[in-house]
Amino acid sequence: DTGVSQDPRHKITKRGQNVTFRCDPISEHNRLYWYRQTLGQGPEFLTYFQNEAQLEKSRLLSDRFSAERPKGSFSTLEIQRTEQGDSAMYLCASSLRTGTGELFFGEGSRLTVL
Amino acid sequence: EDKVVQSPLSLVVHEGDTVTLNCSYEVTNFRSLLWYKQEKKAPTFLFMLTSSGIEKKSGRLSSILDKKELFSILNITATQTGDSAVYLCAAVNSGNTPLVFGKGTRLSVIA
Repeated sequence: DTGVSQDPRHKITKRGQNVTFRCDPISEHNRLYWYRQTLGQGPEFLTYFQNEAQLEKSRLLSDRFSAERPKGSFSTLEIQRTEQGDSAMYLCASSLRTGTGELFFGEGSRLTVL
Repeated sequence: EDKVVQSPLSLVVHEGDTVTLNCSYEVTNFRSLLWYKQEKKAPTFLFMLTSSGIEKKSGRLSSILDKKELFSILNITATQTGDSAVYLCAAVNSGNTPLVFGKGTRLSVIA
């Protein structure tokens, strides 16, 4: 399978715990994006990387959210001290910088905070 | 603030009907508009529109962009139950980053 893969697919945690999601993009894609989607809403942009550089992070929801892409391949999204309002689907997508702008999405990681 | 507004938010039609989904946008340094279909999980790409007035077509789906009036429409003819999904549009700015998605239109096609 050469698509975007995300892990874990589902995560249930207690409020106050830290969680980390991993995204493996399509191998030749140098751009990687994180979005959050809640029920009834479209995806909400969080941050994106071009290779290992994080080019936009002002949309991260709070300082509890952070993302890395240390070697320009896979990326992680960490949420510290989770709150019930963090419950959502976290989508990762990748694209080519010089491509059409089309994003290829992963299946998402669903977070439930109890 | 950049925004994308889709209408209607939900729609129920019978198989064989034709539907038109609307997407209006206000985006700084607009570059292109993307349409996606989202069934249960990941959105899948349908169309990218950059030029005004040029229809993109794929089977029973077609879409067009009006850059003067700042909107796009997605048409689906002869709808089938498999067309039931949420249809999302997103606006791309000159940085080539789709920052803004609409809330989507939930289409339900009943037999």
